[in-house]
This record gives sequence, structure tokens and C-alpha cells, in this order.
Amino acid sequence: EVQLVESGGGSVQPGGSLRLSCTASGFTFSNYALDWVRQAPGKGLEFVSAINSNGDSTFYADSVKDRFIISRDNSKNTLYLQMGSLRPEDMAVYYCARDMSGIYSPLNAFDLWGQGTMVTISS
Amino acid sequence: QSGLTQPPSVSGAPGQRVTISCSGSSTNTGAGYDVHWYQQLPGTAPKLLIYGDTNRPSGVPDRFSGSKSGTSASLAITGLQAEDEADYYCQSYDSELSGVVFGGGTKLTVL
Repeated sequence: EVQLVESGGGSVQPGGSLRLSCTASGFTFSNYALDWVRQAPGKGLEFVSAINSNGDSTFYADSVKDRFIISRDNSKNTLYLQMGSLRPEDMAVYYCARDMSGIYSPLNAFDLWGQGTMVTISS
Repeated sequence: QSGLTQPPSVSGAPGQRVTISCSGSSTNTGAGYDVHWYQQLPGTAPKLLIYGDTNRPSGVPDRFSGSKSGTSASLAITGLQAEDEADYYCQSYDSELSGVVFGGGTKLTVL
């Protein structure tokens, strides 16, 4: 089955760190750019970060730049999001999503989504 | 103004046709950038419904169609069914923001 499965969410204090993972199956992971998109409770979708198929280029929303790091391990079919200096406004469900291309472009659609993992920021 | 504007809610009776608008500007939809549409059923992840303004991924019923004209895009759903009740989001690129933008989402209620 073609799927993305996120993990690593949980509750963390403001200023803390968390690493999310997204494991893929059912398709050739190394052929696709991948993204993180988040959704705050009761709110809409927000692009967070993206990475090219070979990991050589990364992209970030201004809201997370210099605090989050996206990476991937094509040998493990896994995408990561290292989140630091977490703020209350980072609380959201974080979705892993697949680009329709191997080269990331902000013009691309996301054709496959994981079920999401919740990140809660609470003191 | 950057960003995409969608109506917060629309509704229709089973069997009817509804449209959801996605209003942009000269820096996104009006510049010719592709618009994509997603369906998010309650409690689930988004699902790609339309890409590149008008294209349906494999498996999406032809009851769903997309169009674009000028600075606005639209998603049309014909033969409305109870299972279509969901949130719908449009997505494009904004050159002023230099990144991906999503509309605020539209909640479709099937009466």
C-alpha cells in the first residue's frame, strides 16, 4: 500500500525541541520531493518545509526558518523534521506530504498525505 | 493583498451542484500559477482532488471539476452526496510571499 506514516508528535514545553519522522512505503521514496504541512486546531493548512528527492535542497516557511530543520534518509525511506525553540503558535497537526515531482517547486501539488501527528506546546 | 480567499461555508442538497470559489490576486492565481484543490473529510488528512487548475488524479470521481479565470479559481461538485461533506482547500504559489499559499478553507454542508 502506498502510504506515509508520521510519528514523533507529543507534548513539549515552550522553547523545547521535538523530532518528527515520516516513514514511506509502497513507492520509490527517493524519486520524490517531500514536504511538511501543518494545521493548527480548527485552522487551515500551512506549508512548513520541503526537501528535494536527493536531499540537496531544502525550503522553509518564514515562520519556522532558523528553528526547524528538514532532512531525509533515502536508505530508510524516512523524512524528518527537527523542531527547536518551539512556540505556542507551532502547536498543530503536522502532516507529511509527497510532491508530485522529485524536484521541489512551490507550484507543485501534494498528491499523497500521511495521517498526521499532533504537536502540543504546553507549560 | 497576498493570499487566497475562500468562502467559510457553502451548502447544498443531495443531487445539487455547488461551487467553491478561491479568489486571489495578480501575485498568485492572476499571474497564471496553478491552483490545486484538496478535500479534508472530518478527522482525516487532506486528499488531492484537483491539480493544475483542472486535472483530476486517478480515482477522483468526475463529479469534481476545477476551473480558473483571471484571479479566481473554482471547484464545482455535481450530484452532491452526503459523503462530500468536508472542508475544501485551494492552494497556489504567491510571488510576493515567494511560497506556497493555501486558502482559508470552505466547509461544505450537505443538507
